[in-house]
Amino acid sequence: AIRITQSPSSLSASTGDRVTITCRASQGISSYLAWYQQKPGKAPKLLIYAASTLQSGVPSRFSGSGSGTDFTLTISCLQSEDFATYYCQQYYSYPFTFGPGTKVDIK
Amino acid sequence: QVQLQESGPGLVKPSQTLSLTCTVSGGSISSGGYYWSWIRQHPGKGLEWIGYIYYSGSTYYNPSLKSRVTISVDTSKNQFSLKLSSVTAADTAVYYCASWGITGTTGAFDYWGQGTLVTVSS
Repeated sequence: AIRITQSPSSLSASTGDRVTITCRASQGISSYLAWYQQKPGKAPKLLIYAASTLQSGVPSRFSGSGSGTDFTLTISCLQSEDFATYYCQQYYSYPFTFGPGTKVDIK
Repeated sequence: QVQLQESGPGLVKPSQTLSLTCTVSGGSISSGGYYWSWIRQHPGKGLEWIGYIYYSGSTYYNPSLKSRVTISVDTSKNQFSLKLSSVTAADTAVYYCASWGITGTTGAFDYWGQGTLVTVSS
């Protein structure tokens, strides 16, 4: 199975900050990577797929980039509703695998 | 807009079989437009993909659980189901049903149920 790592595991930030989260795959996955946001007690919500395609209805302050093994999720101007845990997921090969998550909390 | 809803017992005894059903609304499983999956999340932990089923009945199971997992579909009820046998406390988790489209997101899960907590305990 392809292993996915994320960094940092957690970060503290303030409203208005620019936040970057990194995801790394143990082997090349082309652009078959998705990003999710999860709030406590809720299901994950798809933000970005194909590494950089914004899911319908997701604010444009979210963006994704990368291909191969290294990917980033950027939140350009953090809003109060963005404090959550973020996961990346590869769907290049079975079994699909997720990163361990990055928790973004309030500084 | 596809909506998914999990149902099933919240408490299962060790060594027994966990059984959950996901009811799909707003779309037909028989349309063939989606793959239907189960994903679980251990308390306070990350996400683990269990496997998928297509409307035709074709399946894929995560090798980590393959010997204990069965996913089935009932197109007449617009439902798909998960069975996990010989459960232990390590199977305590929130179980989600989710789907991805054969076009568009293709492997990224764009629809999710709300999740259901299953606790394995005697």
